[in-house]
Amino acid sequence: AQTVTQSQPEMSVQEAETVTLSCTYDTSESNYYLFWYKQPPSRQMILVIRQEAYKQQNATENRFSVNFQKAAKSFSLKISDSQLGDTAMYFCAFLGIQGAQKLVFGQGTRLTINP
Amino acid sequence: NAGVMQNPRHLVRRRGQEARLRCSPMKGHSHVYWYRQLPEEGLKFMVYLQKENIIDESGMPKERFSAEFPKEGPSILRIQQVVRGDSAAYFCASQLDVNTEAFFGQGTRLTVV
Repeated sequence: AQTVTQSQPEMSVQEAETVTLSCTYDTSESNYYLFWYKQPPSRQMILVIRQEAYKQQNATENRFSVNFQKAAKSFSLKISDSQLGDTAMYFCAFLGIQGAQKLVFGQGTRLTINP
Repeated sequence: NAGVMQNPRHLVRRRGQEARLRCSPMKGHSHVYWYRQLPEEGLKFMVYLQKENIIDESGMPKERFSAEFPKEGPSILRIQQVVRGDSAAYFCASQLDVNTEAFFGQGTRLTVV
């Protein structure tokens, strides 16, 4: 079974700083998807960024980028020029290609951006 | 195109009552997933349904929980004889097809008193 681990329960940075959230996972599959979701206080799950395992190039979405290390099974999220609106819980998630399309989530990292 | 709609947003039930949570997927989406989020935890998969079929219910508790996705109407997650431990946020996600993005609803927060 796949597992996803986020080892940082909480992080806090100043506005405009860069912050990196860590995520490791375990799987025997060779092809899969990885995601970062943001959950603000409203509870809505918002997709931040998506990475396909067969693509070597790291995904980027504006201020958000990932460092995908397939051999190390690591998938970190970097937020540049952090903004107050980035304050939220962030969840790393794994999706296998084979079988049912169920997401496996990490425990989450609570990120606070301070003014 | 409205997003995934879940209702109610908040539901309070006394121990022993039944809870019914509804999820209307995005238009054209025939794949529906239910997840449960306990306080300060990530989402945990419960069940995967396609129209009129349960595809994977490996995350569902064996008793008191059931789910359906009828040909017409929303998907329903039903919890019978609720207990305090059922208090959680329940999220629904829908998908157009496999290997496409799953869109989440805003969740239903169930509180059992």
